[in-house]
Amino acid sequence: QQQVKQSPQSLIVQKGGISIINCAYENTAFDYFPWYQQFPGKGPALLIAIRPDVSEKKEGRFTISFNKSAKQFSLHIMDSQPGDSATYFCAAFAGTYKYIFGTGTRLKVLA
Amino acid sequence: EAGVAQSPRYKIIEKRQSVAFWCNPISGHATLYWYQQILGQGPKLLIQFQNNGVVDDSQLPKDRFSAERLKGVDSTLKIQPAKLEDSAVYLCASSLVAGLTDTQYFGPGTRLTVL
Repeated sequence: QQQVKQSPQSLIVQKGGISIINCAYENTAFDYFPWYQQFPGKGPALLIAIRPDVSEKKEGRFTISFNKSAKQFSLHIMDSQPGDSATYFCAAFAGTYKYIFGTGTRLKVLA
Repeated sequence: EAGVAQSPRYKIIEKRQSVAFWCNPISGHATLYWYQQILGQGPKLLIQFQNNGVVDDSQLPKDRFSAERLKGVDSTLKIQPAKLEDSAVYLCASSLVAGLTDTQYFGPGTRLTVL
């Protein structure tokens, strides 16, 4: 119940395309869902986050869609650029200030 | 604003040896986290400090791992003795407090290889 399942494991997208990464959870006590971006040799950095009381949050080219009833949320990267090539992790706040991270999606955007 | 600093960046040791990692969080951040990131997986929380007290160490293998945060600032994570399965990147993160939406800032990590 403390898992966050992330898919796909890897993703290749053409420049200008839409990248979509999906996550699913089981624990309904999770109440905050951030996405992190990690470049090689760097630590993860917060990209965008959502609370379950909204269904969508958009920041620039990045959008989180949240489906509370299905216990799923996804990251959409519009107009994907080669600079977006990185590993993306979804996470869920599990109480007592602990985050559970997904397994990561390696995104490659072709120029 | 300086980020989270970690050292060393890379470490290679033989199994059964000991190793220590150091973390200097962002100035003023009360909460410090150590994560283990095994290749191909997401970060897994090992231990969380609030100032110099431990908030959560439920996933820390206490028979071989130890951590301390003296004076509520810098922190060290030690492994003794190391096993092959400890090969991973060890990430340190800090946040201003430990609130629900408080952003965690990660350091670059220490890549440990156990031979």
